[in-house]
Amino acid sequence: AQKVTQAQTEISVVEKEDVTLDCVYETRDTTYYLFWYKQPPSGELVFLIRRNSFDEQNEISGRYSWNFQKSTSSFNFTITASQVVDSAVYFCALSEETGNQFYFGTGTSLTVIP
Amino acid sequence: GAGVSQSPSNKVTEKGKDVELRCDPISGHTALYWYRQSLGQGLEFLIYFQGNSAPDKSGLPSDRFFAERPEGSVSTLKIQRTERGDSAVYLCASSKQGSTDTQYFGPGTRLTVL
Repeated sequence: AQKVTQAQTEISVVEKEDVTLDCVYETRDTTYYLFWYKQPPSGELVFLIRRNSFDEQNEISGRYSWNFQKSTSSFNFTITASQVVDSAVYFCALSEETGNQFYFGTGTSLTVIP
Repeated sequence: GAGVSQSPSNKVTEKGKDVELRCDPISGHTALYWYRQSLGQGLEFLIYFQGNSAPDKSGLPSDRFFAERPEGSVSTLKIQRTERGDSAVYLCASSKQGSTDTQYFGPGTRLTVL
């Protein structure tokens, strides 16, 4: 079974629209970490956020915000007032306290149309 | 400070030849990962090094793949008798301590097997 599911394969929005990228995870650990990465067309993965399982506060960073809900095992990412530079593939990832691996979702390709 | 570096950035080889890819992690990072990303796909975990511990090689697709990190810093990924299906971007990442820490990625090596 997939540990991290990003059901949205591709999303297109018009510039200035808000967009939410969904991420659902699965784990039996009580301590775990969730991440979001951005992969622009240049290819290099850029770290966006790390959140531990004990901190359910939502986080806002500029136009980016993250909604962590343990009750639904989701860690969704919202971009407000999207810009063309936001066009990229976004990956959600899970790391468990037990084990060695990062589990990446399959990514959501976001296209922001000017 | 310097990020993760990888060399070469591009490698074109003929089927059957051996290749060697190099990764220089961020100074002081004890954990190092190799991933493979085929065109338009997600990240496939290959191998994980943590300090002096035995590496987690569970993701290596075949015995043609071999990775080492002899002095706990630079790592090389070697692919023997390359096949066309090995064509992909090979990404390296490092983290400060272990699998629950943020991974920082290098720019990748694009391998093309003709």
